Amino acid sequence: DTGVSQNPRHKITKRGQNVTFRCDPISEHNRLYWYRQTLGQGPEFLTYFQNEAQLEKSRLLSDRFSAERPKGSFSTLEIQRTEQGDSAMYLCASSLDPGQGGEKLFFGSGTQLSVL
Amino acid sequence: AQSVTQPDIHITVSEGASLELRCNYSYGATPYLFWYVQSPGQGLQLLLKYFSGDTLVQGIKGFEAEFKRSQSSFNLRKPSVHWSDAAEYFCAVLGQGGSEKLVFGKGTKLTVNP
Repeated sequence: DTGVSQNPRHKITKRGQNVTFRCDPISEHNRLYWYRQTLGQGPEFLTYFQNEAQLEKSRLLSDRFSAERPKGSFSTLEIQRTEQGDSAMYLCASSLDPGQGGEKLFFGSGTQLSVL
Repeated sequence: AQSVTQPDIHITVSEGASLELRCNYSYGATPYLFWYVQSPGQGLQLLLKYFSGDTLVQGIKGFEAEFKRSQSSFNLRKPSVHWSDAAEYFCAVLGQGGSEKLVFGKGTKLTVNP
């Protein structure tokens, strides 16, 4: 068990550029979650997947945000035309299915995005 | 929809003193409740969780929490704080059926004085 891995750890970009983050969950976990955390706030839910299916998206996830999990393994989160307000820590978590221990989420260390 | 309130943004205690971090939740059914800890530059680590049964739950690092349905609370406690406990603590509630996502409070930052 190598844990949830997120890359890159840090990303600095200029406003208007596109960025993509990657999350590798724990291998046997079917569920994968994306959260966003800004300074002084708790993590806010963005979206989650059950295998390759995206089951829920938050209203926080504007049209500029898209997440994929094409083969039910790793996931990517892309932000197009970044804005300064997108600066935040983007956290990924994974879990088993509900009822099989899926109530416990395992979090990665996050990707810190800074938009200049 | 479920929600979590952590009334204390920042708490300072002396090393060796007792600690209680407050958490109130809003959820229509019996909630699944969690406490996570986040150290600078680190991911969120689960301290403990409550699903059902005994309302006093034990976690890692000497932490415990008590579920009180009548007060909609799930406060985190530790009898004697260590300097290494300095971190940010998040209470969270998990929705069931329909919207199965973890909803976090805004966190309480703990400072430990020597």
